[in-house]
Amino acid sequence: QVQLVQSGGEVKKPGASVKVSCKASGYTFSSYGISWARQAPGQGLEWMGWISPYKGSTNYAEKLQDRISLTTDPSTSTAYMELRSLRSDDTAVYYCARGKLGERIYYFYYYMDVWGKGTTVTVSS
Amino acid sequence: QSVLTQPPSVSAAPGQTVTISCSGTSSNIGNNYVSWYQHLPGTAPKLLIYDNNERPSGIPDRFSGSKSDTSATLGITGLQAGDEADYYCGTWDGSLSAGVFGGGTKLTVL
Repeated sequence: QVQLVQSGGEVKKPGASVKVSCKASGYTFSSYGISWARQAPGQGLEWMGWISPYKGSTNYAEKLQDRISLTTDPSTSTAYMELRSLRSDDTAVYYCARGKLGERIYYFYYYMDVWGKGTTVTVSS
Repeated sequence: QSVLTQPPSVSAAPGQTVTISCSGTSSNIGNNYVSWYQHLPGTAPKLLIYDNNERPSGIPDRFSGSKSDTSATLGITGLQAGDEADYYCGTWDGSLSAGVFGGGTKLTVL
């Protein structure tokens, strides 16, 4: 079955970096992109970015684009999210999700149909 | 402040029908397809609706979606206790070249 398995929880100090992995199985990795989202304690879902299966092109949330990098390793069907210069308000559960993004009759379609179980990242001194 | 606007909470009794609204602009909902997600605390979000009104395999027809101009609506009929969760709308924003979510709506089944 299709699944995304994320790496384990992390505790980081302010100013450090974190790299979360997301290993896909059960489908052709190159046929879908990967989105990343996070949920801080008591907050809603926040979209972070998207990496396309084609040439690895990326789109990032404006507030994160100076600190985030999304990459993939097709040889292992694994996606990675790196967030740098961590702050306390980066404490959140981070999710990866398989997604589709494309254009159909002038409209963009975009959705995330399979999600990982989440990785808790805690930023604390 | 989310790009898409949802009511913070809705409630209804078991067996009843509830709707959740999602308001945006011509940059997002007005010119792109909308999706809806169910999120129970401590679990992975689940896709309920994509392309405005399509249900993935395994999602019961109690869940439906619609879109008009710059707003979208999720409908849930025959409410069950297990439907109690947070619900999010999402879409692509062409001006931002980014995905966007609503702020989320907490559904309480009374």
